[in-house]
Amino acid sequence: SQQGEEDPQALSIQEGENATMNCSYKTSINNLQWYRQNSGRGLVHLILIRSNEREKHSGRLRVTLDTSKKSSSLLITASRAADTASYFCALANAGGTSYGKLTFGQGTILTVHP
Amino acid sequence: DVKVTQSSRYLVKRTGEKVFLECVQDMDHENMFWYRQDPGLGLRLIYFSYDVKMKEKGDIPEGYSVSREKKERFSLILESASTNQTSMYLCASRRGRLFSPLHFGNGTRLTVT
Repeated sequence: SQQGEEDPQALSIQEGENATMNCSYKTSINNLQWYRQNSGRGLVHLILIRSNEREKHSGRLRVTLDTSKKSSSLLITASRAADTASYFCALANAGGTSYGKLTFGQGTILTVHP
Repeated sequence: DVKVTQSSRYLVKRTGEKVFLECVQDMDHENMFWYRQDPGLGLRLIYFSYDVKMKEKGDIPEGYSVSREKKERFSLILESASTNQTSMYLCASRRGRLFSPLHFGNGTRLTVT
């Protein structure tokens, strides 16, 4: 099954700056989800965007989805040191034998310096 | 809040041992998942289960089996542990098939020596 490819692999910014992470994929999806993982912990769900949606917001998070380019981006505005974590995109496949599976990208490591 | 509990935070086992990793969720979720996480490889799906006694292979099932006798519990079994199974193992649960998020446990870091 396909795996999302995330870019960049690592991102280092100052507090107050915006952080943008990208996820590209190859085949049709039903929805795309973003998760966050603090060091040594499990993943926490941030936001889900369906294939018929183009943009979603949640607090300081903004997710876009371009199905024609098969890509998504996660924007964190006005970043804080507490946003330091790894961020993963996850793909919910559209059907067939992959129905219901959720596959993850390799993640972007975000470091926000105070 | 949904709680997904993995029985061990850290585990050290010897090569050839049979290893059980236990996961329990308290929200009556139908779906449960086992992933392993390795540096540079992200999370890879080992097995998942849509319902009691049902299981589906993920992307890397070799060397693993699972058991789901009760809805709240999903066990991952390493039949004969090997050093290449040293990893972080993450359990997750979800209500429904597609539009619900996964809820993760805090992971079990397994070392096989």
